[in-house]
Amino acid sequence: DAGVIQSPRHEVTEMGQEVTLRCKPISGHNSLFWYRQTMMRGLELLIYFNNNVPIDDSGMPEDRFSAKMPNASFSTLKIQPSEPRDSAVYFCASSSGNASPTQYFGPGTRLLVL
Amino acid sequence: GENVEQHPSTLSVQEGDSAVIKCTYSDSASNYFPWYKQELGKRPQLIIDIRSNVGEKKDQRIAVTLNKTAKHFSLHITETQPEDSAVYFCAANSGTYKYIFGTGTRLKVLA
Repeated sequence: DAGVIQSPRHEVTEMGQEVTLRCKPISGHNSLFWYRQTMMRGLELLIYFNNNVPIDDSGMPEDRFSAKMPNASFSTLKIQPSEPRDSAVYFCASSSGNASPTQYFGPGTRLLVL
Repeated sequence: GENVEQHPSTLSVQEGDSAVIKCTYSDSASNYFPWYKQELGKRPQLIIDIRSNVGEKKDQRIAVTLNKTAKHFSLHITETQPEDSAVYFCAANSGTYKYIFGTGTRLKVLA
């Protein structure tokens, strides 16, 4: 039984470049969450979707960040243009929502912006 | 806004001793409280959770207690082992889907 899948696992890019992070939630889960983790700020919720619809994007830091969920099995988080302060580990998590609130995390994408 | 406070930020215990981590939440509507363990370089993984209609839950060496009146909940690890060393996060749900996470506790179990 596959868990949450994220790609890439590591990304190194230069300031100003576009970065796209990808997530495939657990099959049957209808809620998807994007988190950012840094030493300074801990685990921050950026945005979450329910049934592919963005419900709360209040954690998205600024307009450089955008997220989409075109279907139930795929989501992207895009940073354009990237900045060094965006360096962090980005986690995707999914849950069954009403059926069960437990969130299961993917392995994360470690992003380094030079 | 909603908030979850977690203490202590670091905790060192001797192998075999118990460890207790405490969290306080602000949203009285919260009804689900998971605990996650995160090892270095890995994802947060659920270790135990509790719902608001239960005061205590145990799973082998791990237990969680909840005091709804005081709005706090605690993680108890007994007979600690070196492999328990990790960062532990508490969380409380906010609304149906969203979690508010605590700031984490770095637990070190000394052999």
